Amino acid sequence: QQPVQSPQAVILREGEDAVINCSSSKALYSVHWYRQKHGEAPVFLMILLKGGEQKGHEKISASFNEKKQQSSLYLTASQLSYSGTYFCGTPTNTGNQFYFGTGTSLTVIP
Amino acid sequence: NAGVTQTPKFQVLKTGQSMTLQCAQDMNHNSMYWYRQDPGMGLRLIYYSASEGTTDKGEVPNGYNVSRLNKREFSLRLESAAPSQTSVYFCASSATGMRTGELFFGEGSRLTVL
Repeated sequence: QQPVQSPQAVILREGEDAVINCSSSKALYSVHWYRQKHGEAPVFLMILLKGGEQKGHEKISASFNEKKQQSSLYLTASQLSYSGTYFCGTPTNTGNQFYFGTGTSLTVIP
Repeated sequence: NAGVTQTPKFQVLKTGQSMTLQCAQDMNHNSMYWYRQDPGMGLRLIYYSASEGTTDKGEVPNGYNVSRLNKREFSLRLESAAPSQTSVYFCASSATGMRTGELFFGEGSRLTVL
C-alpha cells in the first residue's frame, strides 16, 4: 500500500536540479507532496488531482501520470533551504486511508 | 496563529504505563489525524476523525484509542505502553478529507517506552 519513492537519497550543489519519483501499486485519486526538515513536522508542498489540476508551491513543480500511477517532483535551481526529506502521499479512492511514501532525503550543499 | 498544538512534546514511559497525547487545532478544520513516524518507515496513520463525533482506524491502530472531544480536540491514548510504541507522534488536521485536503501537522510528540 505504501508508495515507493526513488531515489532514497540525493546530494546536490546549489543551483542543480533534482527529480524525485513516487510510484504506487494502486490506482491514484490524488498525489500529495510534503517536505520535512530534521526534527520538524512535515509541511505541505503540493497536491496533484486526477484530471491534471495542481495546487501548491511556486518554485517546485510536479507531474502526475494517472495511467502509470506515478508522480514526479521537480526541484529546479535548488537552494540550501530545499534540504530535507520529501514524502509523497496517496489517499485510497474511498478517502479513508492515506499512505505516505518511503521518503527521499535531499541535501543541498554550497 | 497556533495552528495544531500537541502536548506533551517529550515523554518517557515504562512498559505498561498509560498516557494520553493531546491535540488541538484552531483552524476550524473538520478532519483530524494521528500519525506515528519511525525511522525508515515514514509516517503511518493510526486513527483519524473525519468529523466531530466520528473516529476510524488507520493503518496501525492496535494498542491505541482515540477520542474526538469536540471539533478542536483529538486525543490519542496508550492504555498499556510497549517498547514498540516508541516513536514520534504527529497530530494533523485538514479542512476537507484526505483525498484533496492539505494536512497541517503539529510539532510532534517524542515518546520513549522503556
